[in-house]
Amino acid sequence: DAMVIQNPRYQVTQFGKPVTLSCSQTLNHNVMYWYQQKSSQAPKLLFHYYDKDFNNEADTPDNFQSRRPNTSFCFLDIRSPGLGDAAMYLCATSREGLSFYEQYFGPGTRLTVT
Amino acid sequence: SQQGEEDPQALSIQEGENATMNCSYKTSINNLQWYRQNSGRGLVHLILIRSNEREKHSGRLRVTLDTSKKSSSLLITASRAADTASYFCATDADSNYQLIWGAGTKLIIKP
Repeated sequence: DAMVIQNPRYQVTQFGKPVTLSCSQTLNHNVMYWYQQKSSQAPKLLFHYYDKDFNNEADTPDNFQSRRPNTSFCFLDIRSPGLGDAAMYLCATSREGLSFYEQYFGPGTRLTVT
Repeated sequence: SQQGEEDPQALSIQEGENATMNCSYKTSINNLQWYRQNSGRGLVHLILIRSNEREKHSGRLRVTLDTSKKSSSLLITASRAADTASYFCATDADSNYQLIWGAGTKLIIKP
């Protein structure tokens, strides 16, 4: 089945220790998104790729970086995680076309910072 | 950024009852979507309604859209325990393929 896969599902890192979260998709969608979601809140968009074009939200901290080496994979790098970065990180995709704004989500990676 | 507001923030009903959630937004839209999120999981797309549509059905789901009031409602009929989840509305932004999310309604179905 075509899907969005996130690894790992749970990640524990130490304060200040860099961490990378990964996302892959078999949907061949050209747009990929990274969201941060804290408990009982709506997802907050960090950045997205339209094909290879990177689009950073204005309020995304510099501590957060992303890479998209190819259509299928996208990575979220947190250079120096702080306690406030503990959250669920969601990857999503969408495809240019009729239902362009319909997004397909992965199961998320829950990040704990100790 | 969030432009959607949802109410209620939380809703608890008995299994078999109908559940209604509302979403209001601030700017003009092309479409509005509803997503479901089970606890600790990703979001699942439920239904999309376009600005020129007033009502849409999908199984036990019924969505209405009133663009004059900038509001939408999601009705789940004959609720089941498996419907326990958070429900989010999302509208399209002007550009950049983004969605603007509501704060969500947490629905609990009691057996």
